[in-house]
Amino acid sequence: EVQLLESGGGLVQPGGSLRLSCAASGFTFSHYAMSWVRQAPGKGLEWVSAISRFGGDTFYADSVKGRFTISRDSSENTLFLEMAGLRAEDTAIYFCAKYQGSYWNQLSFDQWGQGTLVTVSS
Amino acid sequence: QSVLAQPPSVSGAPGQRVTISCTGSSSNIGAGYDVHWYQQLPGTAPRLLIYGNNNRPSGVPDRFSASKSGTSASLAITGLQSEDEADYYCQSYDLSAYVFGTGTKVSVL
Repeated sequence: EVQLLESGGGLVQPGGSLRLSCAASGFTFSHYAMSWVRQAPGKGLEWVSAISRFGGDTFYADSVKGRFTISRDSSENTLFLEMAGLRAEDTAIYFCAKYQGSYWNQLSFDQWGQGTLVTVSS
Repeated sequence: QSVLAQPPSVSGAPGQRVTISCTGSSSNIGAGYDVHWYQQLPGTAPRLLIYGNNNRPSGVPDRFSASKSGTSASLAITGLQSEDEADYYCQSYDLSAYVFGTGTKVSVL
């Protein structure tokens, strides 16, 4: 059974930093691209970042580019999201998601974690 | 803001058929990129419902179907059941980013 377990969320002041982790199990982690998707309270889904199978390619939404960094450790089957320069509008539940598909422009998110809440407030 | 527009809400009686539209443009759905659909029950993570425009993952009932034409797509739920009450999102690709629809809340009357 595929499991994605996020951790690292919490309350942080504006301008602060936070590191999210996503522990993956139940599939061969290094075979799949991975992503982070967030959902602000009471709002819709927003794609945040993606990383290729071996970590060589990374992609970011314009809203987080230059502030967030995605990475992965295949030896630990773990996905990370380093967040810096946090703003109130970054407050959201952050979901880790596994991609399925063959081409970057056709991928869907076939497995999701339960999410971790990040609150940016003074 | 999202580039894929969905109606905020749709409703139907048990057993009825409801449809949810997802309207995009020439830079996403109209460019030929696949459309995928997700169901999000209250307080839970999203679940992949339809991938590649009209394919159901294993375990998804065949009451759920989808189609795509031009710059739009749609999700249909036939034989509506109380457990279908949830938020539904379409998703595609646009200008090097993954985009979600605005979301539609389905209510069972």
